[in-house]
Amino acid sequence: GAVVSQHPSRVICKSGTSVKIECRSLDFQATTMFWYRQFPKKSLMLMATSNEGSKATYEQGVEKDKFLINHASLTLSTLTVTSAHPEDSSFYICSARERENTEAFFGQGTRLTVV
Amino acid sequence: QKEVEQDPGPLSVPEGAIVSLNCTYSNSAFQYFMWYRQYSRKGPELLMYTYSSGNKEDGRFTAQVDKSSKYISLFIRDSQPSDSATYLCAMMARASKIIFGSGTRLSIRP
Repeated sequence: GAVVSQHPSRVICKSGTSVKIECRSLDFQATTMFWYRQFPKKSLMLMATSNEGSKATYEQGVEKDKFLINHASLTLSTLTVTSAHPEDSSFYICSARERENTEAFFGQGTRLTVV
Repeated sequence: QKEVEQDPGPLSVPEGAIVSLNCTYSNSAFQYFMWYRQYSRKGPELLMYTYSSGNKEDGRFTAQVDKSSKYISLFIRDSQPSDSATYLCAMMARASKIIFGSGTRLSIRP
């Protein structure tokens, strides 16, 4: 299957700071990337969908000013958690797909801990 | 009612058994069906991707889609301890977002 690389895999940051997570499609061009949040033993919660060159579409209840998403190229999307708080601690996962109606491939996930 | 229903388990079977994982759904517009495997603290890994009804086989894995019953299945033959993971079904309608099941935790006993 196609490879999606997510970095970093783990990050610990202080309350009030910002953290950037990168998601790269290594062997295909991703017209669409998705960002998810996952709580322990729970399913994936879609946060936002980003299309290359366009503003991200956020799901209801997700603060767009807090979770900044940039999809500047066909192989890179970034999620920046701004002014992080302990309640933002979670497992964040990106996925990418090449075209509409095709399968999506996931990154390895990023475990964020805010202290 | 959720769009996609999946029994969370846990499901525990002995090594070598055939495992059957299932999801039901309510949206008749779903046409694309996927199964992902997720190990603890890792991102989901795509196992199977099928379009419309029918069967698809890949090694020890077989995916079945029955659109008339709105029911999909993943069968794992000759199950191994390394198959122990959470299995997520996912589906989407044309030009829409992917909807995930809640995941089934599977444990294969040696």
